Amino acid sequence: DAMVIQNPRYQVTQFGKPVTLSCSQTLNHNVMYWYQQKSSQAPKLLFHYYDKDFNNEADTPDNFQSRRPNTSFCFLDIRSPGLGDAAMYLCATSRGPGRGQPQHFGDGTRLSIL
Amino acid sequence: GDSVTQMEGPVTLSEEAFLTINCTYTATGYPSLFWYVQYPGEGLQLLLKATKADDKGSNKGFEATYRKETTSFHLEKGSVQVSDSAVYFCALSDGLGSQGNLIFGKGTKLSVKP
Repeated sequence: DAMVIQNPRYQVTQFGKPVTLSCSQTLNHNVMYWYQQKSSQAPKLLFHYYDKDFNNEADTPDNFQSRRPNTSFCFLDIRSPGLGDAAMYLCATSRGPGRGQPQHFGDGTRLSIL
Repeated sequence: GDSVTQMEGPVTLSEEAFLTINCTYTATGYPSLFWYVQYPGEGLQLLLKATKADDKGSNKGFEATYRKETTSFHLEKGSVQVSDSAVYFCALSDGLGSQGNLIFGKGTKLSVKP
């Protein structure tokens, strides 16, 4: 089945130690999104790629970066994670940017900071 | 700006009870409306959607009707099951300069007891 796959499902890192989360998709969708979801809250959009065009949300912290080397893969890099960055990180894709296009989510990576 | 308001949870029901989760929205354009469901430890799954006024989205016994006059998209199910226990998110996408980004409500946790 075509899907959105996130690895790893659980990631533990140390305070200040860079970490990379990965997402791959077999849907051949043009748009890929990264969300941060803290406990009992709605997902918060960090940034998205429309093809190679990168779009950063205004309130996304500077230590969050993203790379999309090809259509299928997208990475979230946290340069110096703080305790407040512990959360579930969700990757999603959509066929295009139109308002009627649903987003397809992976199962997320739960990040813990020691 | 655009926003989504959904009823506060948690909602606890007995099996086979009727479910309503209220959702209202504010948008400057003509948004598409979505319900997503998140089971424990998983990502979000699209439950149903509606793209224009009076459309009814339905899936797995759940229904929601896009009501432009009341700016609402309430989720209903006639007979809930224990397996419906999850968090439900109402969301909109207006595609106006946002490239179809989703705006989520805060989520409503549903617990169904046998």
